[in-house]
Amino acid sequence: AQKITQTQPGMFVQEKEAVTLDCTYDTSDPSYGLFWYKQPSSGEMIFLIYQGSYDQQNATEGRYSLNFQKARKSANLVISASQLGDSAMYFCAMREGSGGTSYGKLTFGQGTILTVHP
Amino acid sequence: DSGVTQTPKHLITATGQRVTLRCSPRSGDLSVYWYQQSLDQGLQFLIQYYNGEERAKGNILERFSAQQFPDLHSELNLSSLELGDSALYFCASSFRDRGDEKLFFGSGTQLSVL
Repeated sequence: AQKITQTQPGMFVQEKEAVTLDCTYDTSDPSYGLFWYKQPSSGEMIFLIYQGSYDQQNATEGRYSLNFQKARKSANLVISASQLGDSAMYFCAMREGSGGTSYGKLTFGQGTILTVHP
Repeated sequence: DSGVTQTPKHLITATGQRVTLRCSPRSGDLSVYWYQQSLDQGLQFLIQYYNGEERAKGNILERFSAQQFPDLHSELNLSSLELGDSALYFCASSFRDRGDEKLFFGSGTQLSVL
């Protein structure tokens, strides 16, 4: 079974509108971390936001927020007030377990290409 | 800028050859993680080093090896290269602060095997 599933290969949004990128995960470990990364056409991987499995509140980082629904095992990324520069590939990723000193060992989804229209 | 430095940015080589990819983690980070991004496999974890020791292994081929040196920079060695090894190879280093975890990626090395 896929550990991280991103069901939207591509998404379109109008500039200044909000958009939600879906991510569901599968793990039996009670301790895990969820990440979102942005990969523009230039290729670099840019960290956006992190949510720990024990965090009571949804994570927020500027225009990014993570809609964490633990019972549904979903961790959707919400981008508010989309900008043209948000056009990129977005990856959801998971770290299983507390990680110890290997908390950077992540499993990635297949990604969603977001296109922001002016 | 993530603070993680990877060289070279691009590498073109032929099948059967051997190449070395280099990574310097962010200042103070002891861990280095190597990832491979290919069209068919997506982003996959290869291997992790922590303060000079191998700490975790993923889907790394036997033809590939890595090491981390005392100054904490790391090298990923790819040998007997095949066409299917063409991919974007990322190095990352990790930061944990009061439960907040971040993994910072370098800009990657694009390997083309011809």
